[in-house]
Amino acid sequence: DAKTTQPPSMDCAEGRAANLPCNHSTISGNEYVYWYRQIHSQGPQYIIHGLKNNETNEMASLIITEDRKSSTLILPHATLRDTAVYYCIVASSNTGKLIFGQGTTLQVKP
Amino acid sequence: GAVVSQHPSRVICKSGTSVKIECRSLDFQATTMFWYRQFPKKSLMLMATSNEGSKATYEQGVEKDKFLINHASLTLSTLTVTSAHPEDSSFYICSARVVQETQYFGPGTRLLVL
Repeated sequence: DAKTTQPPSMDCAEGRAANLPCNHSTISGNEYVYWYRQIHSQGPQYIIHGLKNNETNEMASLIITEDRKSSTLILPHATLRDTAVYYCIVASSNTGKLIFGQGTTLQVKP
Repeated sequence: GAVVSQHPSRVICKSGTSVKIECRSLDFQATTMFWYRQFPKKSLMLMATSNEGSKATYEQGVEKDKFLINHASLTLSTLTVTSAHPEDSSFYICSARVVQETQYFGPGTRLLVL
């Protein structure tokens, strides 16, 4: 079973920031938080990952709480092309096994 | 990010035949490849983990004799669906990674068994 809990769906206005929450209260010390997204009928696309510190790349920012029990993915300026299912996954970098939950369907609206 | 390809992108076959799907890491050598399947409106389900040069490890409930996985080189893994039946129709997706590095996914292969 997936170790994360995400809201099933969210809406965001185009050009605004999209903040996607994820709860992972049972995360272990050696597990990372990974975010992927899947646009319809395509393979998942890697977005970002982190262990305990906040991370930022050209796609998004990842904010991890100090107790590591939850995190937020931030898309700073959402576009219509960001409409997708977003998956938050906790996994050990040793095994690499990603267990997908149901994710959050983000709908970016004009 | 790294590039992973799959071939074919879609395939239609008759019930009882076998289908082979290729997964290649194009710009890196993948020590581990993973195979997933996805039914409509459902999430991805991990089928097996494949390490180069060794036997694949299958997830509980996945028939290893039905879904044959070969990982003969650091850039190629194949999934063969043997004696396919309509219930095997699905979206099959592979991913690849180098040890302890990020996992990258292929574009997927849509299988339709008639």
